[in-house]
Amino acid sequence: QVQLVQSGAEVKKPGASVKVSCKASGYTFTSYDINWVRQATGQGLEWMGWMNPNSGNTGYAQKFQGRVTMTRNTSISTAYMELSSLRSEDTAVYYCARVAGIAVAGIDYWGQGTLVTVSS
Amino acid sequence: SYELTQPPSVSVSPGQTARITCSGDALPKQYAYWYQQKPGQAPVLVIYKDSERPSGIPERFSGSSSGTTVTLTISGVQAEDEADYYCQSADSSGTYEVFGGGTKLTVL
Repeated sequence: QVQLVQSGAEVKKPGASVKVSCKASGYTFTSYDINWVRQATGQGLEWMGWMNPNSGNTGYAQKFQGRVTMTRNTSISTAYMELSSLRSEDTAVYYCARVAGIAVAGIDYWGQGTLVTVSS
Repeated sequence: SYELTQPPSVSVSPGQTARITCSGDALPKQYAYWYQQKPGQAPVLVIYKDSERPSGIPERFSGSSSGTTVTLTISGVQAEDEADYYCQSADSSGTYEVFGGGTKLTVL
């Protein structure tokens, strides 16, 4: 079965960086795009960007350009999202999510979420 | 930046029909997707490409599109449908995805 397993919760100080991992299993990792989505407590979903695990091509939401980097290691079927220059407003649950094939194209599987807390 | 607009809340009694709208200038060009999210859980895709229903999603969930507005309709609402619902789509260039602000569906 398809699974996306994310790394554990993180606590960071303002100005620091965080790198969240997302290990995929149950399907061919390079065949489906990965999106990253975050959600602050009690708030809505916020799309951060996408990555094509096959090519490594990425696209980032304008809000995060210059601060976010999405990468992958195909040998271990793992995607990464690194966010730098953290501020308190970045405190949120971060999800990796698989985009279904072209016939559907919505997000069909989500990771369990990683809580990132930014606090001095 | 591109935005999708949803009503913050919708309330219906069990058995009634709930309609949740999502408005955006690019919706005539771009498909919309709908997700259901219950507290403490990851979202679940309930409608894709405006009106298609994934396998395993009950038939009472349907989607439609008209101009710059897409609508998620839940017919014969059940207590278990109480959740937050989000629409998702892309800007006119297809470069950036965006989520609507979410609608809290309350089953009275």
